[in-house]
Amino acid sequence: SQTIHQWPATLVQPVGSPLSLECTVEGTSNPNLYWYRQAAGRGLQLLFYSVGIGQISSEVPQNLSASRPQDRQFILSSKKLLLSDSGFYLCAWEFRDTQYFGPGTRLTVL
Amino acid sequence: RKEVEQDPGPFNVPEGATVAFNCTYSNSASQSFFWYRQDCRKEPKLLMSVYSSGNEDGRFTAQLNRASQYISLLIRDSKLSDSATYLCVVNMRTGGFKTIFGAGTRLFVKA
Repeated sequence: SQTIHQWPATLVQPVGSPLSLECTVEGTSNPNLYWYRQAAGRGLQLLFYSVGIGQISSEVPQNLSASRPQDRQFILSSKKLLLSDSGFYLCAWEFRDTQYFGPGTRLTVL
Repeated sequence: RKEVEQDPGPFNVPEGATVAFNCTYSNSASQSFFWYRQDCRKEPKLLMSVYSSGNEDGRFTAQLNRASQYISLLIRDSKLSDSATYLCVVNMRTGGFKTIFGAGTRLFVKA
């Protein structure tokens, strides 16, 4: 069966520090992968999606970037975090038009 | 107009009540529809897909009305454990890819 992992589960970072969040999927190959952010009490905001290795589409302009160095690995990065980057970051993979989410990373920027 | 709109909520209901959520979508090219459930501080989880003919899974019934562009979720005999946020999701595959999540409707079921 397929599983999706995210780490770390929680993270507290100072403003201006770098960020790297990792997402990996098991049990499938060449999945469509997604990064979402959910601010406290808000809906999901699509940040990036990828249909294959090295293929990244950005949905919103921001100080975040994404990379897909391997088929089942999706990384979200930032060179300098802002206070507004705080939120719940969710990775998802897609199977037959249905998205399945990882457990998420809760990021607090201080 | 938002592409996917849900009842504002929150809904506060007693155990055993029947509660219905509606969701409207603006793009007639939408092709697939889902309801997700999200518990507090957790990831969204697929509750059920929504089929054109309507579908039922235990106490949950989902319906789709393509002519009026809305989907609904009915929960019968509400349980305390049904308390969560319910997200309406619409997929569009015409002219590219797009999955739109509604903002969610919060449900509180009380004893």
